[in-house]
Amino acid sequence: VQLVQSGAEVRKPGSSIKVSCKASGDPIVGFDISWVRQAPGQGLEYLGGIITAFGSTSYAQRFQGRVTITADESTSTAYMELRSLRLEDTAVYYCARHRLEMATVVAFDLWGQGTLVTVSP
Amino acid sequence: DIQLTQSPTFLSASVGDRVTITCRASQGVRNSLAWYQQKPGKAPRLLIHGASALQTGVPSRFSGGGSGTEFTLTINGLQPEDFATYYCQQLKTYPALTFGGGTKVEIK
Repeated sequence: VQLVQSGAEVRKPGSSIKVSCKASGDPIVGFDISWVRQAPGQGLEYLGGIITAFGSTSYAQRFQGRVTITADESTSTAYMELRSLRLEDTAVYYCARHRLEMATVVAFDLWGQGTLVTVSP
Repeated sequence: DIQLTQSPTFLSASVGDRVTITCRASQGVRNSLAWYQQKPGKAPRLLIHGASALQTGVPSRFSGGGSGTEFTLTINGLQPEDFATYYCQQLKTYPALTFGGGTKVEIK
């Protein structure tokens, strides 16, 4: 199984971006997917996640209202949309699969290759 | 949110060395802690989950320990391919999970 993300994008401040993450080799139904970003030279920051079997989502507080995570079971693809982009949203965005033990998320055990989103005037 | 503080932030070591990285949580997270390795231009790779469980395929020179608020990642016999940045992550308060700031391991 691999998570394959869409390609690099450039956007202007105030616009939005939608990044895709396709599971190849296995249906995404039943996979829990989270999104994590990494600004240039910085650490990892969690945005939110989806439990694809139920379509339930949860978001980090600082991104509430600005990010939406969805999944299309028919294509085994998850999406992350970030709106009202700012210069500081420039980052590599990763999708990652949850490792579950007894229905509890214990880690992210499979990651996409990352998508560079550049926000520039 | 629970804050995770890693130390040191930078570590210089030689091949064959034993190195230990510490991750301290601002509140107890039981054993809900994972460790990742990241190389430049690559996605993070899971090493340890549940504070001490080695992920399948990860060499046994990596080990994790601790519980509550203090955790360690130890590499016994550093190899050339281990020079990378390491991150801890707490998942006790999922979805309000957090990452540590990272520890960069470089060649002395």
